[in-house]
Amino acid sequence: EDQVTQSPEALRLQEGESSSLNCSYTVSGLRGLFWYRQDPGKGPEFLFTLYSAGEEKEKERLKATLTKKESFLHITAPKPEDSATYLCAVGGSNYKLTFGKGTLLTVNP
Amino acid sequence: GAVVSQHPSWVICKSGTSVKIECRSLDFQATTMFWYRQFPKQSLMLMATSNEGSKATYEQGVEKDKFLINHASLTLSTLTVTSAHPEDSSFYICSVWTGGDNEQFFGPGTRLTVL
Repeated sequence: EDQVTQSPEALRLQEGESSSLNCSYTVSGLRGLFWYRQDPGKGPEFLFTLYSAGEEKEKERLKATLTKKESFLHITAPKPEDSATYLCAVGGSNYKLTFGKGTLLTVNP
Repeated sequence: GAVVSQHPSWVICKSGTSVKIECRSLDFQATTMFWYRQFPKQSLMLMATSNEGSKATYEQGVEKDKFLINHASLTLSTLTVTSAHPEDSSFYICSVWTGGDNEQFFGPGTRLTVL
């Protein structure tokens, strides 16, 4: 059974204070590690897909990295508008996604 | 990616009634869509895979007679919650699979409250 564990559950940062979110996973036949952003009362918004260990992708203040067991979402100099829940998911051999519970990020001005 | 809409955004109904939620793929012809349910502070849980022109595939523990899925066209899938009860109150989200690399694009979700 595919499993995804995200940490921390919640993270509070000051504006400009960089940090990282962690996503640990076990999956049979990885077909992608996905990061989504979810605002309250909204559906998840796609951010990144990573496919192999060593891969990195960047978008504005966000950078996602992947190893064989975990992924990190690095947030550089965050702004209040980066506040959201960040979800990690793995795509397994059956093409379905298994999600973690997410990390609730709050960035204070 | 794909742009996905859902209707309604929120619905309140009485216990015992049925509620239909629509999921539309606005710019992609989707042969496969997914339906998820999300409880407060919990992860998205896959309920079923909706396949155009064929029967949906339900995850273990999801009652197929309670959650009816119809994927009648390449742009529309519907989820009907039959004889809804308060425990069915949740946030229902659909997604479109664009094929190939497992990427799914999500709708804005529907908040169902059963009184």
